[in-house]
Amino acid sequence: GESVGLHLPTLSVQEGDNSIINCAYSNSASDYFIWYKQESGKGPQFIIDIRSNMDKRQGQRVTVLLNKTVKHLSLQIAATQPGDSAVYFCAGLSGGYQKVTFGTGTKLQVIP
Amino acid sequence: EAQVTQNPRYLITVTGKKLTVTCSQNMNHEYMSWYRQDPGLGLRQIYYSMNVEVTDKGDVPEGYKVSRKEKRNFPLILESPSPNQTSLYFCASSLRNSAYNEQFFGPGTRLTVL
Repeated sequence: GESVGLHLPTLSVQEGDNSIINCAYSNSASDYFIWYKQESGKGPQFIIDIRSNMDKRQGQRVTVLLNKTVKHLSLQIAATQPGDSAVYFCAGLSGGYQKVTFGTGTKLQVIP
Repeated sequence: EAQVTQNPRYLITVTGKKLTVTCSQNMNHEYMSWYRQDPGLGLRQIYYSMNVEVTDKGDVPEGYKVSRKEKRNFPLILESPSPNQTSLYFCASSLRNSAYNEQFFGPGTRLTVL
């Protein structure tokens, strides 16, 4: 696969534990945020989104938290599984949701 | 199968030789966008299109052109490629005329400019 995981901060988690991936955003104009998962050799895949008027949103095994005061997003993955191993990106949308700004990504390694 | 396709998947070329990377989606999506991905920099938006004949610049448009003559196709054109355009390129599409909600990404095109 493609070596997009190089030069990225890495989070190593034991299988079954919870994972927390953080993202700081700088664009104050962003009013909608998305977390993407990218597996080796593939394009990013949508996980969960959150609007700026919310501070928490839950999906299946995933929760996104938004703190607008400090411009911080986090993605929590419950009971992390080997299939969760990937690079995770946050993205902020602005300009009528036309412009997309991605964070630099975090590599999640799940230890069996 | 609903998908975004890109061609070619891999390309090695030389400086100055014009090239086009094609992107096509079969989901009748309004919005399409191009990104480049570089180690340590994440994905950066090059151009986007909210509909046919409507395109706009993203964060890194220099050295690239796009067109949206039909809804399903959004080619990326490099008129005179340079080595700093060596990168992994992704095309994406979204149902509405924005990136709101889910964008579907293509498999990527690895471009090397010598």
